[in-house]
Amino acid sequence: NAGVTQTPKFRILKIGQSMTLQCTQDMNHNYMYWYRQDPGMGLKLIYYSVGAGITDKGEVPNGYNVSRSTTEDFPLRLELAAPSQTSVYFCASSYESGGNYGYTFGSGTRLTVV
Amino acid sequence: QQPVQSPQAVILREGEDAVINCSSSKALYSVHWYRQKHGEAPVFLMILLKGGEQKGHEKISASFNEKKQQSSLYLTASQLSYSGTYFCGTFSSSGSARQLTFGSGTQLTVLP
Repeated sequence: NAGVTQTPKFRILKIGQSMTLQCTQDMNHNYMYWYRQDPGMGLKLIYYSVGAGITDKGEVPNGYNVSRSTTEDFPLRLELAAPSQTSVYFCASSYESGGNYGYTFGSGTRLTVV
Repeated sequence: QQPVQSPQAVILREGEDAVINCSSSKALYSVHWYRQKHGEAPVFLMILLKGGEQKGHEKISASFNEKKQQSSLYLTASQLSYSGTYFCGTFSSSGSARQLTFGSGTQLTVLP
């Protein structure tokens, strides 16, 4: 049982470049989330999805886009990368609403924008 | 709004106890607790759903006071493996964005 898988683990981008962070889960969870974690800080919600075809903004969505075409996959797109997007990105999933179920996190993508 | 965790950091000797607090300005439906080791992903410890509920996970337990909008994590007879950063996550019972909001974390170091 792989859980939540994120790729790549590390990436260096130049300012203005774009990339997609991949996230896939094999637990048949309906809810999926993208968080970013800056050094020494907590996790900030970027986007979330409550099912295939349904996405919504979190606390810090500017500069990012998401899509959810299947239950398993929830990619995060960075357009026109900026140094402020240097962070560790975590994808997570839960069976249903986080009000009642814990989150399973992927191992993270460490992104540096130079 | 982000829940407030205290203390920000704590250093213990193996076998000592610790308490980590989490408080919110919003009415809460549930509280989550996670542990994150350096360079790794957060790992779910437990969720508390009802006011006054207590739960346990090995020698780690937690309480949730719904009226005070507070939760506390209790680490008893700490082990070296308990070292890491502990995050609470709160799920509000009001508002349109009913998503988990994390505190800034409490760094726990257990020394031999």
